[in-house]
Amino acid sequence: EAGVAQSPRYKIIEKRQSVAFWCNPISGHATLYWYQQILGQGPKLLIQFQNNGVVDDSQLPKDRFSAERLKGVDSTLKIQPAKLEDSAVYLCASSYTYEDRGNSPLHFGNGTRLTVT
Amino acid sequence: LAKTTQPISMDSYEGQEVNITCSHNNIATNDYITWYQQFPSQGPRFIIQGYKTKVTNEVASLFIPADRKSSTLSLPRVSLSDTAVYYCLGGTGFQKLVFGTGTRLLVSP
Repeated sequence: EAGVAQSPRYKIIEKRQSVAFWCNPISGHATLYWYQQILGQGPKLLIQFQNNGVVDDSQLPKDRFSAERLKGVDSTLKIQPAKLEDSAVYLCASSYTYEDRGNSPLHFGNGTRLTVT
Repeated sequence: LAKTTQPISMDSYEGQEVNITCSHNNIATNDYITWYQQFPSQGPRFIIQGYKTKVTNEVASLFIPADRKSSTLSLPRVSLSDTAVYYCLGGTGFQKLVFGTGTRLLVSP
């Protein structure tokens, strides 16, 4: 099966500019996640979608970050305006289903490396 | 909140067996324990998942004792290509999606 697709692979912007990342999950996967991974740290969950609805966005900095998953398939994550501390890899993942105690593992894309100068 | 604890780093040599132990407090009765592997410039990759006792696949084995307060990922006869960061995840609801800092495994010739 095709994996999780993300684009662009790399992005360099200046602070206060805006940027958007795109993710196409594995076909049939109802749940989609965006993670932020700062160098040397583990991935940090930003937002979780079940189909086209938000399940959890408690760790998303909503003053500058936004995400949507129209039609319950592809998703975009936007940052506006960007800050230096947003430099990180943004990972998208999908899973077959979401359950509180389910065992559906996450499938990750290779991420977008964002550098804010 | 449930939290997993792993060693920060481990060193090994090619051909050796590597065991990485993870402690997970407050794991609920029905929760699974999941391990991921991450190479540089790639997203984490699912390795193995278990609920109790022992699970084995073509990549690794996972040992979970009866009290389920810990689990051990076993990599048989590691090679240089097993050098990566390994993450243990467990918990309820949102916690099952929380990555810690992981264990950096370095395999040397």
